[in-house]
Amino acid sequence: SQQGEEDPQALSIQEGENATMNCSYKTSINNLQWYRQNSGRGLVHLILIRSNEREKHSGRLRVTLDTSKKSSSLLITASRAADTASYFCATDKYGQAGTALIFGKGTTLSVSS
Amino acid sequence: GAGVSQTPSNKVTEKGKYVELRCDPISGHTALYWYRQSLGQGPEFLIYFQGTGAADDSGLPNDRFFAVRPEGSVSTLKIQRTERGDSAVYLCASSLMAGGLYEQYFGPGTRLTVT
Repeated sequence: SQQGEEDPQALSIQEGENATMNCSYKTSINNLQWYRQNSGRGLVHLILIRSNEREKHSGRLRVTLDTSKKSSSLLITASRAADTASYFCATDKYGQAGTALIFGKGTTLSVSS
Repeated sequence: GAGVSQTPSNKVTEKGKYVELRCDPISGHTALYWYRQSLGQGPEFLIYFQGTGAADDSGLPNDRFFAVRPEGSVSTLKIQRTERGDSAVYLCASSLMAGGLYEQYFGPGTRLTVT
C-alpha cells in the first residue's frame, strides 16, 4: 500500500520557473524523504527532513514539513531541463527510521527549454 | 566508488517459469532492501535484510516470492511460477545499516516481463 500521495500527478513548466510538488501521508512519521527518478540515473535521494524540522534547504531544493497536516512540499527553484523526472516522497514504514520506505505515486515534472 | 548493481537489467520469461534476480549492494552496507515498481506507481516495499537475516518480509506478495542473502552481501530475489502480474521493475537498495537515518542507495533495477 502507498503511504504518501503526491500532488499534482504531472507538472509542466518552462526553464527558470519554480516547481512545487506536494505530498500527503497518513500515519505518524520519523522523517520524510524526497527522491527523484529518471531513466538515466534511476532513483536518487534528494533530501531528508526529520519530523521535528519544519523546513530544509539543499541547493535549489526547499522542503517543508507540516506534521499537523501530515503534508510536505518540495520546491525546486529556477528549474532546468535536467530537472525533468518523477519525484517521490517516502516515509519510514512503521514510523521507524531505517526501516523500509513507503513511497507515494509520484509527480512527473517536465521542464521545457 | 561502485554503486548498487543489479543483474540482469532485463529479463523476459514465460508464465510459470522460475526467475532469480541478483543484487550487489555497496561494499560495507549491512542493510539491503528489495522494492517492486509497476508502471506509473512508486516503488513498493518487498523485503529488507539486516546482515544475513530478513528483518521484515511483510511486503512479499505471496509464497511464490523468496529472497536470500546468505553471506550478508549479495542478495537474490527468487520468484517461482511467475505470473503476468509479476511484470515490473524490481529495485534493490542498500544502506550503511538499518535502524537509523542512513540514506538508501538504489540500483538501476531489473525489468521483469512475464509473457
